Amino acid sequence: DVVMTQSPPSLPVTLGQPASLSCRSSESLVYSDGNTYLSWFHQRPGQSPRRLIYQVSKRDSGVPDRFSGSGSDTDFTLEISRVEADDVGIYYCMQGAHWPPFTFGGGTRVEIK
Amino acid sequence: EVQLVQSGAVVKKPGESLKISCQGFGYKFNNYWIGWVRQMPGKGPEWMGFIWPHDSDSRYSPSFQGQVTISVDKSINTAYLQWSALKASDTAMYYCARFPTGELDYWGQGTLVTVSA
Repeated sequence: DVVMTQSPPSLPVTLGQPASLSCRSSESLVYSDGNTYLSWFHQRPGQSPRRLIYQVSKRDSGVPDRFSGSGSDTDFTLEISRVEADDVGIYYCMQGAHWPPFTFGGGTRVEIK
Repeated sequence: EVQLVQSGAVVKKPGESLKISCQGFGYKFNNYWIGWVRQMPGKGPEWMGFIWPHDSDSRYSPSFQGQVTISVDKSINTAYLQWSALKASDTAMYYCARFPTGELDYWGQGTLVTVSA
């Protein structure tokens, strides 16, 4: 199975400041169709996860442009340009290039300082 | 608007059977894999498997193969996850989700399964 490793596990941030979350995969996530299947999800306490980013850098509809994804091959980053109170929760990356199974990272918990 | 609506929370005893459901709305149900993700308390999501509604072709994570069964009734746009004999370790939140190729784009609201004597 492809192992997804996220860091840091916890990220205290100041409102209005940027945040950078890392996700690394044990294998390249470039699929045979040329696309790279790396997604980011945000889960607030007591809620279902919601997808923010797919194929590394494509934002889902309704996702603020404060969120951006970047990276390639095995090394990926989710950036929040200015953290807002609503951004707290756990962020997970997920790979869909090598399945079964789809695999998730262990998550990064974003909290306000 | 795409919606995945799941059945309600359940409490079961070890050894009992269970079948939970997920109904899709707002899209062509037969055109997407639909599957299940487990989230144990305080842990990250784990992909369990999914099914292609058109022909009921199902795929499972090795971790869940033989432990659960995923099925579908395409006449009512509904997918199911079932257990024949629950264990206490099956206590978790179970989410259904839609899977375009290589992706997971929509989640259901979750079904909490509690297994306790």
